[in-house]
Amino acid sequence: KAGVTQTPRYLIKTRGQQVTLSCSPISGHRSVSWYQQTPGQGLQFLFEYFSETQRNKGNFPGRFSGRQFSNSRSEMNVSTLELGDSALYLCASSLGRATNTYEQYFGPGTRLTVT
Amino acid sequence: AQKVTQAQTEISVVEKEDVTLDCVYETRDTTYYLFWYKQPPSGELVFLIRRNSFDEQNEISGRYSWNFQKSTSSFNFTITASQVVDSAVYFCALHYGGATNKLIFGTGTLLAVQP
Repeated sequence: KAGVTQTPRYLIKTRGQQVTLSCSPISGHRSVSWYQQTPGQGLQFLFEYFSETQRNKGNFPGRFSGRQFSNSRSEMNVSTLELGDSALYLCASSLGRATNTYEQYFGPGTRLTVT
Repeated sequence: AQKVTQAQTEISVVEKEDVTLDCVYETRDTTYYLFWYKQPPSGELVFLIRRNSFDEQNEISGRYSWNFQKSTSSFNFTITASQVVDSAVYFCALHYGGATNKLIFGTGTLLAVQP
């Protein structure tokens, strides 16, 4: 089974621009979560999508948004980029049934650098 | 509120030494799930183990073992006969609770295994 894939792997943007990151979960997995990892704040939960619905959202400004498609692929968007948005963005895939907690499998991440 | 503490920021050992990574958690839930992940320099988080709060049996997988103690709210991870390939950042995580896959991560422990 193919693992979680994220594209692009590396991205350089300038302040004020917007960016879209993509995540393809493991086949059959319906839950996709996004995390931001920075040296200062560590791993922080951004949001989770399950069957195209946002199920939970972390404490991030509205500039961070996401969506999930019917094939479970997910995208996250960051508008009006700031220098502090430079981070490794990790996507996690899980079976995600509503009443169970399954292991989450992470992708290789997208390294975003904002200049 | 849920919280995970990994007090050890960095640990350095010589190959073949045993090493224990500490994890202390806080939660008000009676049923909860704990996880360990490994993050090698490549950046991808690799799932190691998931433990349910109602299963206090220790688990061993090859050179890896986990000691779960509800009485002290700890979920420690031991690597026996460490190898250079074990060098990575290790994260302990707690499931947030409810119908979501959100994880609360500790700050991680950087393990350096010297040859």
